[in-house]
Amino acid sequence: DAKTTQPTSMDCAEGRAANLPCNHSTISGNEYVYWYRQIHSQGPQYIIHGLKNNETNEMASLIITEDRKSSTLILPHATLRDTAVYYCIVRASLNTGTASKLTFGTGTRLQVTL
Amino acid sequence: DTAVSQTPKYLVTQMGNDKSIKCEQNLGHDTMYWYKQDSKKFLKIMFSYNNKELIINETVPNRFSPKSPDKAHLNLHINSLELGDSAVYFCASSQDVRGGQPQHFGDGTRLSIL
Repeated sequence: DAKTTQPTSMDCAEGRAANLPCNHSTISGNEYVYWYRQIHSQGPQYIIHGLKNNETNEMASLIITEDRKSSTLILPHATLRDTAVYYCIVRASLNTGTASKLTFGTGTRLQVTL
Repeated sequence: DTAVSQTPKYLVTQMGNDKSIKCEQNLGHDTMYWYKQDSKKFLKIMFSYNNKELIINETVPNRFSPKSPDKAHLNLHINSLELGDSAVYFCASSQDVRGGQPQHFGDGTRLSIL
């Protein structure tokens, strides 16, 4: 799986949009971009994923650049409950067992403040 | 209903003992996983089963033995526990092994070795 690079930490004011960047310059054409978050003392929570197109769900939006070398996770109206470590993960789309694992990096620690 | 549930939530035991952690998912998924998160918060894949068949074994010591009695359950048995086994163990499941299927995690089992 391609390596990802994320800032170590970010702050965001409550109610504002949180934009979390991720670089994955070595991504290949058959690899998805996944975002998970881990709130303190809980298991990782799936947020969103995409292959080429931008994606939106009830939690967030995922913007993938045209060359697919970077992406941004957007939480449109951050709340205190969004304080967590956010992981950007590149994962192969191949239908093989070994491709199914998630390789977590160190993530971005997002602190949402009043 | 909890989608991926692990028991116990906390496990404190002495070095040398044998212990088991259980995981059940009620999502009807075919694929299940065990991840380990160490004291430095790195989250790493250990095992994966697809339709009760082992598909990923990431060079985990053979003291760790996963068992999948059916698709909904993946248990982890650990023999001769060592201090370095202290960690949080997360179970996860996904619809199947395809890269476009997100994994859903349990809340973890916190194992402490005295």
